[in-house]
Amino acid sequence: DTGVSQDPRHKITKRGQNVTFRCDPISEHNRLYWYRQTLGQGPEFLTYFQNEAQLEKSRLLSDRFSAERPKGSFSTLEIQRTEQGDSAMYLCASSLSRTGQRGTDTQYFGPGTRLTVL
Amino acid sequence: KQEVTQIPAALSVPEGENLVLNCSFTDSAIYNLQWFRQDPGKGLTSLLLIQSSQREQTSGRLNASLDKSSGRSTLYIAASQPGDSATYLCAVSGVDSSYKLIFGSGTRLLVRP
Repeated sequence: DTGVSQDPRHKITKRGQNVTFRCDPISEHNRLYWYRQTLGQGPEFLTYFQNEAQLEKSRLLSDRFSAERPKGSFSTLEIQRTEQGDSAMYLCASSLSRTGQRGTDTQYFGPGTRLTVL
Repeated sequence: KQEVTQIPAALSVPEGENLVLNCSFTDSAIYNLQWFRQDPGKGLTSLLLIQSSQREQTSGRLNASLDKSSGRSTLYIAASQPGDSATYLCAVSGVDSSYKLIFGSGTRLLVRP
């Protein structure tokens, strides 16, 4: 399978605990995105990376959230001191961006990590 | 601020019917528009991408059109099947919003056998 993979698929935690999610993008994709989706809504952008550089963060990404993409490969999203409002599906996507071809890059999504904070 | 709206929120049709899903966006300065399918509890599957310079894209029984000036896109599904039942999401990549996608809330489609 050469698609985007995410681990774990489900995570149940108690309020106040820290959690970390992992995303493995499609090989050679230089852009990686994190989104959050709550029930009945479309995904909302959290942050994105161009190779290893984190280029944009949404205001939704409070200081309890941190994301990394070491060496421009896989990425991790950590949530510290989880709150019940963090319960959502966390989606990762990747795309291949080519210089001078803005608008041609399709974002491919992984299966998501469903977080439940009790 | 870009906003994306999808109407209707839910749709139920008998098998075999042709149907149209609507998507509108408030800022016409976009690079592209993508349509996705999402099955319950799953990730998103990309269906079609229309670049801002294009008017439509086709894939099998799916046809997506884009009217950038009026801020509208439609997804046409021909000869619907029960396996088409899912939530359909549209998303735009705006000129002023880096590379992130702005999503609508989706249309939940049920195709009855």
